[in-house]
Amino acid sequence: DIRMTQSPFSLPASVGDRVTITCRASQSTSNYVNWYQQKPGKAPKLLIYAAFSLQGGVPSRFSGSGSGTDFTLTISTLQPEDFATYYCQQSYSTPWTFGQGTKVEMK
Amino acid sequence: EVQLVESGGGLIQPGGSLRLSCAASGFTVSSIYMSWVRQAPGKGLEWVSVIYSGGNTYSADSVKGRFTISRDDSKNTLYLQMNSLRIEDTAVYYCARAALGWVQLDYWGQGTLVTVSS
Repeated sequence: DIRMTQSPFSLPASVGDRVTITCRASQSTSNYVNWYQQKPGKAPKLLIYAAFSLQGGVPSRFSGSGSGTDFTLTISTLQPEDFATYYCQQSYSTPWTFGQGTKVEMK
Repeated sequence: EVQLVESGGGLIQPGGSLRLSCAASGFTVSSIYMSWVRQAPGKGLEWVSVIYSGGNTYSADSVKGRFTISRDDSKNTLYLQMNSLRIEDTAVYYCARAALGWVQLDYWGQGTLVTVSS
């Protein structure tokens, strides 16, 4: 199984900050890495797929990068609506696996 | 418009069975991969199972032999049959569509809560 290790677990931040979340896969995922945002009581929402492709309708302040085993989600200028939990996920091989999640909270 | 609507959750005793449904609209479930993902209270996301367009299925080790994913093409509906339920199966269960190509989970239902308790 491919293990996805996210960091940090918690990320205190302020509106306007640049935020970076990292995800490391235990083996190569050939860029089959996706990022999701989840707010309390809501279903996850796809932000980034294939490591760096922006899902339709997602603001351009969100971006993804990386390759092989190391991937990054960046929010260029944090907005009030971006306080949420973020998950990476690999869809390269079953079992599809998620990272533990990163909670972006108000500093 | 793509929509996924889950139903069938509820309170069930350990060892019991439950079948979740996910009614799809705006696309055909048989033409794409469909998946179940769950989230225990206060925890992260856990992938449960997938059914490919060709009918092959795969499940997480934690549910293998107990949960079965299936679909009814005539009803355009995805199912998750859950048997031998355990307390640790308590979670919100989401169905999700996996887009062709990179199989990212691009549409999700609202989730249905399954509580396993005596």
